[in-house]
Amino acid sequence: GENVEQHPSTLSVQEGDSAVIKCTYSDSASNYFPWYKQELGKGPQLIIDIRSNVGEKKDQRIAVTLNKTAKHFSLHITETQPEDSAVYFCAASRGGGFKTIFGAGTRLFVKA
Amino acid sequence: GAVVSQHPSRVICKSGTSVKIECRSLDFQATTMFWYRQFPKQSLMLMATSNEGSKATYEQGVEKDKFLINHASLTLSTLTVTSAHPEDSSFYICSAREGDRAIGELFFGEGSRLTVL
Repeated sequence: GENVEQHPSTLSVQEGDSAVIKCTYSDSASNYFPWYKQELGKGPQLIIDIRSNVGEKKDQRIAVTLNKTAKHFSLHITETQPEDSAVYFCAASRGGGFKTIFGAGTRLFVKA
Repeated sequence: GAVVSQHPSRVICKSGTSVKIECRSLDFQATTMFWYRQFPKQSLMLMATSNEGSKATYEQGVEKDKFLINHASLTLSTLTVTSAHPEDSSFYICSAREGDRAIGELFFGEGSRLTVL
């Protein structure tokens, strides 16, 4: 079946450094790629998303890049802060009635 | 962004009882809602897709008689864990998609932690 691979599973960075999380997807028909942040004991929250007609999108310290040819997309967090510590999930979807496929998650630790 | 409310956030019940979890879209209509189960330190596992006015579509391996889903209105879906047992203890999360948009942003509830004694 369709799947999304996410790496690394754990990432530890020093406050102020950048963090990069990478995902690859298998369904070439996927056209929507959201990223979610999940804090302990809470539901995931959408932090940024990108659609297949765009190669890069930025929102303050967060950016996402998409390479449709290679079927991979990445999340970049610059100037990390301790409050960025959480689990981050990438996902891929065709939209409509199709399922959203989630990556396994990346546990990000930002050390003060 | 759109808000999805999930209730209760925590529930403890005795083995053999049934528990109902509600998922509401507060400021939008959700034709489709999704129910997930999440084990500690793992990703979201889709259990079923809930469609307003029709039967839910369950993922392979999920017992439909065990996990009853009802989506009676465009703003409410419920998940009932029937005859709960300790192995049903988990974090259950719902999400909703606004209307029938072609590109489906998902908005998640806060999750419900079920503990079965």
